[in-house]
Amino acid sequence: GAVVSQHPSRVICKSGTSVKIECRSLDFQATTMFWYRQFPKQSLMLMATSNEGSKATYEQGVEKDKFLINHASLTLSTLTVTSAHPEDSSFYICSARDYRDWPPSYNEQFFGPGTRLTVL
Amino acid sequence: KNEVEQSPQNLTAQEGEFITINCSYSVGISALHWLQQHPGGGIVSLFMLSSGKKKHGRLIATINIQEKHSSLHITASHPRDSAVYICAHTPLNYGGSQGNLIFGKGTKLSVKP
Repeated sequence: GAVVSQHPSRVICKSGTSVKIECRSLDFQATTMFWYRQFPKQSLMLMATSNEGSKATYEQGVEKDKFLINHASLTLSTLTVTSAHPEDSSFYICSARDYRDWPPSYNEQFFGPGTRLTVL
Repeated sequence: KNEVEQSPQNLTAQEGEFITINCSYSVGISALHWLQQHPGGGIVSLFMLSSGKKKHGRLIATINIQEKHSSLHITASHPRDSAVYICAHTPLNYGGSQGNLIFGKGTKLSVKP
């Protein structure tokens, strides 16, 4: 099946630093990647939808200047948490959709393994 | 309101037992997903279905579109099945988010040897 990787798998950083998380589709092309966040004992929540070559669409309540998303190629999307604070500590997961899957209302998503961010 | 309700929240079973996890949703959907999340956090997609029933190994997923209800069954459960099982759907009116998923809170399954 389709494989999505994330890097790093775990990161610990000091408050105020920026952290970049990469999401790659390894064996398929993904026109759309989704970024989710999961706090302990909570559901995954969509943060933003990332489309190759265009600006990401952010969900209500997600600061686009804090969570910078770049989707420069069909196999790579990055999420940068700028000036991270302890409240940003969470589990971040990406998923990717194969460009051949159309229409997008009926889609299968492939998930990355996630990145656990801890901000001290 | 776009909600996904799962039951039970926690489930402990003995190895070999038949397990059922339920999922109810409130809006029209284009697809329903069952996902498995292991303790390390990684997520695996188990099923995507829009009608009827699907089977993969010891796992069976069913959906009743009229009743807005889906079930995930595990036959002959094993300790390695211990994980969080998450129901999610793609709503029909996704408002341009191109098929993003709405997730339930998950069912934590522990299978004891």
